[in-house]
Amino acid sequence: NAGVTQTPKFRVLKTGQSMTLLCAQDMNHEYMYWYRQDPGMGLRLIHYSVGEGTTAKGEVPDGYNVSRLKKQNFLLGLESAAPSQTSVYFCASSYSGERTEAFFGQGTRLTVV
Amino acid sequence: DAKTTQPNSMESNEEEPVHLPCNHSTISGTDYIHWYRQLPSQGPEYVIHGLTSNVNNRMASLAIAEDRKSSTLILHRATLRDAAVYYCILAYAGGTSYGKLTFGQGTILTVHP
Repeated sequence: NAGVTQTPKFRVLKTGQSMTLLCAQDMNHEYMYWYRQDPGMGLRLIHYSVGEGTTAKGEVPDGYNVSRLKKQNFLLGLESAAPSQTSVYFCASSYSGERTEAFFGQGTRLTVV
Repeated sequence: DAKTTQPNSMESNEEEPVHLPCNHSTISGTDYIHWYRQLPSQGPEYVIHGLTSNVNNRMASLAIAEDRKSSTLILHRATLRDAAVYYCILAYAGGTSYGKLTFGQGTILTVHP
């Protein structure tokens, strides 16, 4: 029972490089979320999805793109990484969003130099 | 989108009850109230959620005001393992933001032995 798995757990990028963070859930959840958390701050919603093939913008979407081609996977892309995107990224999933609990991954620590 | 307001920090003694308040005066009729907590270096963990009625589970109780403009998370007997950041979240059930889970700054709970 894996729950929510984030890949990779750590990554160092150079400014301008691109990368994709993968979030995978095995609970058949409809809703998936990507957050970022800067040191000493709360979580800020980047993008979210309410079902396969859907995506929506959160509070801080600029500089990120997402895709939800398969129900179990939610990908977060950085096309041209910037030092301001250094953060810990968390993925979450839930069965019905507002009515059920969300499960979080353990996070991806990304450093952009 | 409706917002939540929480105290920045609270302190408690071990084995005493803790009441963590949250104001959400602009909540809409269909928004659910969720509470999550985050231990150091971990992803957030679900605590409890509700819509109108008070809710209990093995971790905590959630008391929701009759007008739903505020709620209180109750930890009946605080332990050192309950020291964490507690987030009160509104989960949007309708409109263009349905399914959205937006975190605020949270309350840092310190538990003294």
